[in-house]
Amino acid sequence: KAGVTQTPRYLIKTRGQQVTLSCSPISGHRSVSWYQQTPGQGLQFLFEYFSETQRNKGNFPGRFSGRQFSNSRSEMNVSTLELGDSALYLCASSLVGGIDTGELFFGEGSRLTVL
Amino acid sequence: DAKTTQPTSMDCAEGRAANLPCNHSTISGNEYVYWYRQIHSQGPQYIIHGLKNNETNEMASLIITEDRKSSTLILPHATLRDTAVYYCIVRVASSSNTGKLIFGQGTTLQVKP
Repeated sequence: KAGVTQTPRYLIKTRGQQVTLSCSPISGHRSVSWYQQTPGQGLQFLFEYFSETQRNKGNFPGRFSGRQFSNSRSEMNVSTLELGDSALYLCASSLVGGIDTGELFFGEGSRLTVL
Repeated sequence: DAKTTQPTSMDCAEGRAANLPCNHSTISGNEYVYWYRQIHSQGPQYIIHGLKNNETNEMASLIITEDRKSSTLILPHATLRDTAVYYCIVRVASSSNTGKLIFGQGTTLQVKP
């Protein structure tokens, strides 16, 4: 069974540009969440999508957005990049239905460097 | 979600049991304790979770005190591959927030030969 796949794995952008990251969840998983990890702030929750709808959102500015497609694949977008957006962006999927086990499956992340 | 407190770092000798403590004194009755770990340059990995009873799986054991204000994750025979940051998370299990975890700073476990 394939795991969570994130693309691209590495990318470099310059300030003011925008970036789109992609996440393919585990087959059958309907919830996709995004996290940002930096050395200073650690792992922070960005948002969660379920059935193409954002249902939870972390404390990030509007420059951070996302969407989910009918096949549960998700993308996140960061516009007007700032140096502080340099981070590892992690995607996680979970199986929704029945009892919530709290088990998320994480991808290996997309490492974004903003110059 | 209740807040958790973990030691910043711990060492453990290879082959010995690693006992990682977590304090969650403000935990509510419907909040579970979850443990994840993150090996360098990888995404976090789920280890185990529990409500009030002790739990064991193929990776670890989770011991929750009777008052539920603290817990201990036990790796029975630590190997070098267990070197990682371990996160203790407390949250309500709900079908409406399955993807939301609030991570603290975690405990960096260094397993030494």
